[in-house]
This record gives sequence, C-alpha cells and structure tokens, in this order.
Amino acid sequence: DGGITQSPKYLFRKEGQNVTLSCEQNLNHDAMYWYRQDPGQGLRLIYYSQIVNDFQKGDIAEGYSVSREKKESFPLTVTSAQKNPTAFYLCASSKGVQQGEFFGPGTRLTVL
Amino acid sequence: EDQVTQSPEALRLQEGESSSLNCSYTVSGLRGLFWYRQDPGKGPEFLFTLYSAGEEKEKERLKATLTKKESFLHITAPKPEDSATYLCAVHLNYGGSQGNLIFGKGTKLSVKP
Repeated sequence: DGGITQSPKYLFRKEGQNVTLSCEQNLNHDAMYWYRQDPGQGLRLIYYSQIVNDFQKGDIAEGYSVSREKKESFPLTVTSAQKNPTAFYLCASSKGVQQGEFFGPGTRLTVL
Repeated sequence: EDQVTQSPEALRLQEGESSSLNCSYTVSGLRGLFWYRQDPGKGPEFLFTLYSAGEEKEKERLKATLTKKESFLHITAPKPEDSATYLCAVHLNYGGSQGNLIFGKGTKLSVKP
C-alpha cells in the first residue's frame, strides 16, 4: 500500500542536541512538506520541497533544516537553535495541490 | 492579512443530531479549500477539496459546501465514530508555489451515544 511513513513516533531530546525526523513516501509525489502542530494553533509550515534538490522555507523555518536528495525522502533536522521544539511534527506530500496533501502519522518531539 | 477562522472551537452533539462546522476565510486569490479530519495523536486525513463558490462534495455523512467567503461542513445524523478534530485549509493563488496553504485551528467534534 502506498503511503507516508514517519519515524520515530515519539522522540525525546535533551536541550542542545540536534535531532532528525524521518519522512518517507512511496506515492510518487513530487511535493513534500513539514508542518508543526501545537495545541490551540493551526498547522504551521516549516519547509516544503517541490522537486528533488530544491526546497523553500515556510513560515517558521528558523531553527530547522531539511534536505531532499531523493524523491521519496524529506528528513527534517531540529537544531539546537530552535528555542521551543516540543511539538507534534507532521510530514505531508502531494502530487499536485489540487489533489490535496496527504499526511503521515506524525512524530511527537519532547525536549527534556 | 490572510486568515482562516473555524467555528465553533468545540462542538458536542448527541448521536443523530445534525449540525454544521464553519470555515471562514479572508484571503485573496483562493485557489482551493480543503477539509481534513484528524484523530488524536494522528496525522490529518484528507476529506474534500472545493474550488469554486457553489461547489458541493459529499462523503458518507459529511457534505462540504463553499461560498465566496466561507465553507461549511455539514454532518448529518452523526455517529460517535465521527468524533474528531476537523481542519480547514486554504490554498492561495499567488507565488506559484505549493507552500501557500493556510490552516485554521480546527473544530473539535464530540458525538455522544
């Protein structure tokens, strides 16, 4: 079955550490996205990529980095520069906007 | 400023009690409006895309409609399994990128048996 996988489901990080969240899709979608979800707030776009080896900053890119070396993969690194990283992180992909974005199951990151 | 507002924030219904969720938007150049369902601790599940005023789409007990300023998600005779948070998002018609998707904060629906 085609879909989007994210790992790990839960992640704990100590302050000052960088962590990388994995996102893989086998839907043959060109575009991929990373969102952050906090209680009481809408999803906020961190980074997106429309094609391999290209990506753009979203609304809240500071303290995050991404890469898009393969069409299927779009990992997100949360760096120590991100001051409030505890959140639920969602990866999504789309073939085209008109077909909607399909989301992965999410990774819950907690900073200890 | 482009905005998407969903109301109410929370809605409690009895099983079988029909109601509507609202998504109003103040954006220029709407390219599409999306509805998603999200269960606790999970990623959003795509429900509908609407493109133009007057358009309607249905799926089981859900029906989404669109006007020039808002969209409604009508829930007919809901069941407890319809309990979830419903998210609305709009895609803007500028920039030429796929990154211009603005989400509302969602409506948390609870359906009691």
